[in-house]
Parts: sequence; C-alpha cells; structure tokens
Amino acid sequence: QKEVEQDPGPLSVPEGAIVSLNCTYSNSAFQYFMWYRQYSRKGPELLMYTYSSGNKEDGRFTAQVDKSSKYISLFIRDSQPSDSATYLCAMKETSYDKVIFGPGTSLSVIP
Amino acid sequence: NAGVTQTPKFQVLKTGQSMTLQCAQDMNHEYMSWYRQDPGMGLRLIHYSVGAGITDQGEVPNGYNVSRSTTEDFPLRLLSAAPSQTSVYFCASRPGGGRVNEQFFGPGTRLTVL
Repeated sequence: QKEVEQDPGPLSVPEGAIVSLNCTYSNSAFQYFMWYRQYSRKGPELLMYTYSSGNKEDGRFTAQVDKSSKYISLFIRDSQPSDSATYLCAMKETSYDKVIFGPGTSLSVIP
Repeated sequence: NAGVTQTPKFQVLKTGQSMTLQCAQDMNHEYMSWYRQDPGMGLRLIHYSVGAGITDQGEVPNGYNVSRSTTEDFPLRLLSAAPSQTSVYFCASRPGGGRVNEQFFGPGTRLTVL
C-alpha cells in the first residue's frame, strides 16, 4: 500500500463548478498537509498547506484535514479554466525531513 | 532572485552514459531535494540534503549520486544511465525547520535514455 493515495482522474468539470480533490494516507505521524498545483510542463507550486487537523481557506480554495479518517481534501469554488492543472497532495511528519507526494489528479475546467 | 534553477532543460542519453543534472538556488535554503516524476507515480524522492555536506537517500536512490559542497548547489549524478531512468527530474529547496510552506521547485529536466 502506498503511503499516499490519490485518484489520478482525469477530472473534467464545467466552468463555475465546485471541485473536490481528495487524498488518503496511511501514516498517522503526518502532521503537515500540502496541496501543490502543477501546470503542464512546469514545476509544482505550493497552493496551500495546513498543520494538523482543521480547515484553511484562501480565496476560492479550501483545504480540509480529517486525521481520524486519514483523509484530506481540497475544494475549489467557482472553478476557472485557469485552474486546469494537476493537483498533488503532499505530507510530512514533524520531525522527519521527507515530503511524500501523492500521484496527482489531473483537472480540466471547461469554459 | 532566480529561485531554483535547473540545467539542462532537456537531455537525451544512451544507455550506459553518465551525466550530471545541475540544480542551484539563491535563497540560502538549507534543504534541497531531487525528485523524479513519472506518469501515474507522482513525485518520488531520490535524494535530499539538510545542509552543506549532509545528504541522505529518499525512496528511489539506486543509480543516482548526490553531493552538497555548498549551500547553493545540489547536483544529481547518473553514473550509468538506464532506460528506466527516463523521467522528468525536479529539484526543490526550502528553509530549515518546519517551514514547508516555503518549498520551491525548479522548472525540471526532461531526460530520455535510449
């Protein structure tokens, strides 16, 4: 079993839709939870991160962490064609230097 | 600031050849990492460094060597290239401590091994 699992998609939605992206994980020691966005043929860029459990909101993006279920989510409201990208979740233990990535979900927002 | 730079952008090698992928950062970051990205596999950690002179293995270290003689540079060496090493390689850096929100990636090197 991989440490971090993510539905690879592809996910295709109409412009304006609410998008839900999810990851599950097996390591209960993960404390940092991150979402990266990667445009085609570019390096990943950090979108949001949370420490431990709870929600975090940044504009149209909301990140949720449910440590009891080992499940994290990224919600995108009022999705735009510019949101079309691959979204990678990533996780890290507090005292361990490695960041572990999920395989990514490909998202297309259709105008 | 140039951020994280990688050279070359593209490379084609023959099986058995060796080469070095260059990575440099100008943000004075302590941590630097090398990842490879393959379809359906996401980013997998090859090697990482927590500071000059200190390196450690990641998930998929076999066939790769690294060194960190300065804070700025973290080259990745392929000693004898194999077709299984065809991939996109990303270098990343971040400050020390738990500041995961400040990890930056380079633009990547697309490597093909024939």
